[in-house]
Amino acid sequence: KNQVEQSPQSLIILEGKNCTLQCNYTVSPFSNLRWYKQDTGRGPVSLTIMTFSENTKSNGRYTATLDADTKQSSLHITASQLSDSASYICVVTGSGGGADGLTFGKGTHLIIQP
Amino acid sequence: EAQVTQNPRYLITVTGKKLTVTCSQNMNHEYMSWYRQDPGLGLRQIYYSMNVEVTDKGDVPEGYKVSRKEKRNFPLILESPSPNQTSLYFCASSLSRSSYNSPLHFGNGTRLTVT
Repeated sequence: KNQVEQSPQSLIILEGKNCTLQCNYTVSPFSNLRWYKQDTGRGPVSLTIMTFSENTKSNGRYTATLDADTKQSSLHITASQLSDSASYICVVTGSGGGADGLTFGKGTHLIIQP
Repeated sequence: EAQVTQNPRYLITVTGKKLTVTCSQNMNHEYMSWYRQDPGLGLRQIYYSMNVEVTDKGDVPEGYKVSRKEKRNFPLILESPSPNQTSLYFCASSLSRSSYNSPLHFGNGTRLTVT
């Protein structure tokens, strides 16, 4: 069964600190992997997309990495801000994914404390 | 402004009373989908549509219906709501299901309570 596992489930860090969120997947064949940010009470918003040939991609203070061999991705947040408090969802696209090829992780709930 | 619009944002209803949650997108997207989000379970797909008049079941379709008569609209219908359908619902759209340059665009959600 195709799965996307995210860790940790929740994380609390102090403002200004860095953190890394993990996403492991078993979806095959792989097309792409996206990270979404979901603020409380809002719909998710795309942060970045990774394809098979991309190892690292940055979007401001967010840096995503992908290791297609080990089927792992990470999202690193640098110098965290209070506005980074949100859930971060990893979504993998592949023909072996869900009914339409999309497999969702359950998300990591990140809390930034002042 | 490019957006996905869901209505209503909040809805409280009683068991068995049919309801419809509307979803509309103004980006000419082919792909649309519905999800429910419950604590600890993440986003689970209810139904999706690859294009007009083409709909398919997702992972949790029981108790729901959809239609795609126009490209921009994808309503979610609960014929006989039950308390276990109390949840936060999201509609999303994208240019195509897997295109590199086409992320999912989500609406702001509909919080449904069935008593």
